[in-house]
Amino acid sequence: EAEVAQSPRYKITEKSQAVAFWCDPISGHATLYWYRQILGQGPELLVQFQDESVVDDSQLPKDRFSAERLKGVDSTLKIQPAELGDSAMYLCASSLVPSNEQFFGPGTRLTVL
Amino acid sequence: AQSVTQPDIHITVSEGASLELRCNYSYGATPYLFWYVQSPGQGLQLLLKYFSGDTLVQGIKGFEAEFKRSQSSFNLRKPSVHWSDAAEYFCAVAPNSGGYQKVTFGTGTKLQVIP
Repeated sequence: EAEVAQSPRYKITEKSQAVAFWCDPISGHATLYWYRQILGQGPELLVQFQDESVVDDSQLPKDRFSAERLKGVDSTLKIQPAELGDSAMYLCASSLVPSNEQFFGPGTRLTVL
Repeated sequence: AQSVTQPDIHITVSEGASLELRCNYSYGATPYLFWYVQSPGQGLQLLLKYFSGDTLVQGIKGFEAEFKRSQSSFNLRKPSVHWSDAAEYFCAVAPNSGGYQKVTFGTGTKLQVIP
């Protein structure tokens, strides 16, 4: 069964360092999402791609976060510099079309010390 | 913009008992509706979805949900809960319209199952 791949699964970093997360969506899925999930809360959309184009990054803290999906396939989310408040689970998801069923990866648990 | 409310933060049920998790949405028309489940430390998995048609939707793992337009609700039910159902459950809503469609998640309901 096709799955969304994410790496790393866990990341511990010190504040002011740079971190990067990688996501490989299910083959053929044009829509890719990055979510941040703080413990005890629901996922919050950070950025949504349609192929290689960003369609929504309104909640992405652009002074420190960046995301790219250069060839419309896999994607990277970067934080530079990391802050204590960035500690959270970062989830990647993909779907065939927007607003349809989203398939989630296992997530990356980020801890900023 | 759409929104979704899950009024119960935490629910405890006995194994074998029935379950109902509440979800209320705010949207000007009939939206797309979803229920996802998340086990600790894992990503989310879709249980079921409603786009149109029959308002009683069957999902995986024995779950069902009923769309009630008059109450703006999409409650999740299971007749007999198993210990493996202990997890966090998220209701989500998306606009049923053309153009850009953002999925909005609720804050989740954590289910505890006791023997």
